[in-house]
Amino acid sequence: DTGVSQNPRHKITKRGQNVTFRCDPISEHNRLYWYRQTLGQGPEFLTYFQNEAQLEKSRLLSDRFSAERPKGSFSTLEIQRTEQGDSAMYLCASSLAKGDGNTIYFGEGSWLTVV
Amino acid sequence: GQNIDQPTEMTATEGAIVQINCTYQTSGFNGLFWYQQHAGEAPTFLSYNVLDGLEEKGRFSSFLSRSKGYSYLLLKELQMKDSASYLCAVRDRVNTGTASKLTFGTGTRLQVTL
Repeated sequence: DTGVSQNPRHKITKRGQNVTFRCDPISEHNRLYWYRQTLGQGPEFLTYFQNEAQLEKSRLLSDRFSAERPKGSFSTLEIQRTEQGDSAMYLCASSLAKGDGNTIYFGEGSWLTVV
Repeated sequence: GQNIDQPTEMTATEGAIVQINCTYQTSGFNGLFWYQQHAGEAPTFLSYNVLDGLEEKGRFSSFLSRSKGYSYLLLKELQMKDSASYLCAVRDRVNTGTASKLTFGTGTRLQVTL
């Protein structure tokens, strides 16, 4: 098991363009989370899934952001019409809903720079 | 909602002991987590407390007092590689009784010096 995998690891895009990030969680993990982190801050919650169901969505997640987990395995986070304020590291994490669900494992993050 | 406070920066000497405090206010509580994060890397799990008391794991220990909304992370025998940010996070509990997301503090940047 290689852990939580995210790609691309780095993305530079022009303002107004759309970007999509992919997350492959640890296999068997039915919970998947998306967080955003800017320099000097802790991760901010965006949304999470249990299997394919999106159970909670932060008010930080504007209409330009959408996340999917169509088959309950990998997930995508799309940002439409990017703005410079979207520049951040986007972290994906996964866990079990039961048992070792006390541990949430993070991927290495996808860095977004909007120019 | 959640409110989590921890110091922004701390400095300690190699070989010493350092205690990083975290206070929180939450509408529902289902555990407190500590993560370590080196610059430019993902957070890595250190410890989890859901009941009051001390959890020890090698050089790292974490303490929780639910009545005081207080936790600390204790690092012993500090090493240079311990220089990192330490994130306190609280997991809330939704009204269905299931565990929910983590809410993080801003992190404490620890600098270990010679």
